[in-house]
Amino acid sequence: SQQGEEDPQALSIQEGENATMNCSYKTSINNLQWYRQNSGRGLVHLILIRSNEREKHSGRLRVTLDTSKKSSSLLITASRAADTASYFCATVPFQGAQKLVFGQGTRLTINP
Amino acid sequence: EPEVTQTPSHQVTQMGQEVILRCVPISNHLYFYWYRQILGQKVEFLVSFYNNEISEKSEIFDDQFSVERPDGSNFTLKIRSTKLEDSAMYFCASKRDSANTGELFFGEGSRLTVL
Repeated sequence: SQQGEEDPQALSIQEGENATMNCSYKTSINNLQWYRQNSGRGLVHLILIRSNEREKHSGRLRVTLDTSKKSSSLLITASRAADTASYFCATVPFQGAQKLVFGQGTRLTINP
Repeated sequence: EPEVTQTPSHQVTQMGQEVILRCVPISNHLYFYWYRQILGQKVEFLVSFYNNEISEKSEIFDDQFSVERPDGSNFTLKIRSTKLEDSAMYFCASKRDSANTGELFFGEGSRLTVL
């Protein structure tokens, strides 16, 4: 089973609109991270939110974390065509684990 | 800005051949990882490496796989006898901080095609 599961799996919106992607996870976490992957490229870290934080901003990105519901959301405001990419949430699945576990990702397409 | 570099960017090999994928992590990082991504699928953890030994590995990382940090700079993934299902993009990543904190820095990946 996956630690992180994103929804929707695919999202297509018009440039300028806001994009919201959600992530659910199963176990307690130390932090939750969001990564972006352009087609055929490596993953790029976007933002990290710790388990004791509820909301975090970075530029046009806003991340929320609800540990009681084991869920997180990533909001991209005023989307641009260049935001077209896949977005993954990732968590460390248990205390002492060395790895990040990634979800299936949301494929975001911004239409100009 | 420091980055993780991977070579080769693309390798085509015959089934049963040995493959070595190379990575140069960011120089002051302490934790190293290999992940793989089969086309169109999610990014899967293979192995983590710290203090010159494997700290964690997934069930994908069987006896056909090995990792090595031969010279304090390179971090390699070896697949001893490749199978068709090993075809994937392989990503190296490194991290500076302790395991439960901080971001991973990924390379651009090595695409492996097994024929």
